[in-house]
Amino acid sequence: ETGVTQTPRHLVMGMTNKKSLKCEQHLGHNAMYWYKQSAKKPLELMFVYNFKEQTENNSVPSRFSPECPNSSHLFLHLHTLQPEDSALYLCASSQDPGAVAKNIQYFGAGTRLSVL
Amino acid sequence: GIQVEQSPPDLILQEGANSTLRCNFSDSVNNLQWFHQNPWGQLINLFYIPSGTKQNGRLSATTVATERYSLLYISSSQTTDSGVYFCAVEGNFGNEKLTFGTGTRLTIIP
Repeated sequence: ETGVTQTPRHLVMGMTNKKSLKCEQHLGHNAMYWYKQSAKKPLELMFVYNFKEQTENNSVPSRFSPECPNSSHLFLHLHTLQPEDSALYLCASSQDPGAVAKNIQYFGAGTRLSVL
Repeated sequence: GIQVEQSPPDLILQEGANSTLRCNFSDSVNNLQWFHQNPWGQLINLFYIPSGTKQNGRLSATTVATERYSLLYISSSQTTDSGVYFCAVEGNFGNEKLTFGTGTRLTIIP
């Protein structure tokens, strides 16, 4: 148990569906992250939120839409996805990314997404 | 951006053996983390080690920041050690981004 919870664990959706991934952290952290892990590739950072403000959008297509209503919750809204978007989506949190030794990131178990 | 290379890409060992995993990085870092990803996808923090040496049970890690590499040692391997081990670094500019290596897939055979 890392203190970061992701739901659902598995998701199958069609290309015309709309779905949302949820992440919740119980660590009192101020920053939250979305990563994408595709087969045979390193983890790719998608979005960073620091104190609820988006500070990083790593050239992610607009069919992925993040939402951070507070420092403990992070969503990733999905619509009109493509089969190549199938991957493991990981959420992470850290205490304070701007402070040395406080950007230790803790990860959730991920949502395995399949787009048909 | 900063480059991270891990070696070897795959490692198959008998239970009880020792192993050394390596992470090379291309620039100065102020954050280096080792993670273990289990077969269910969960990434578990092993070490936060931008420099120096740390030990936790059968695992230890050493980072030589001046030479831009880190080593993860696993002693007396167990089957539960199987999975993928990732090194991730953040450059000295502290821009919140962890850059991950491609990982070492470790398989421990009973």
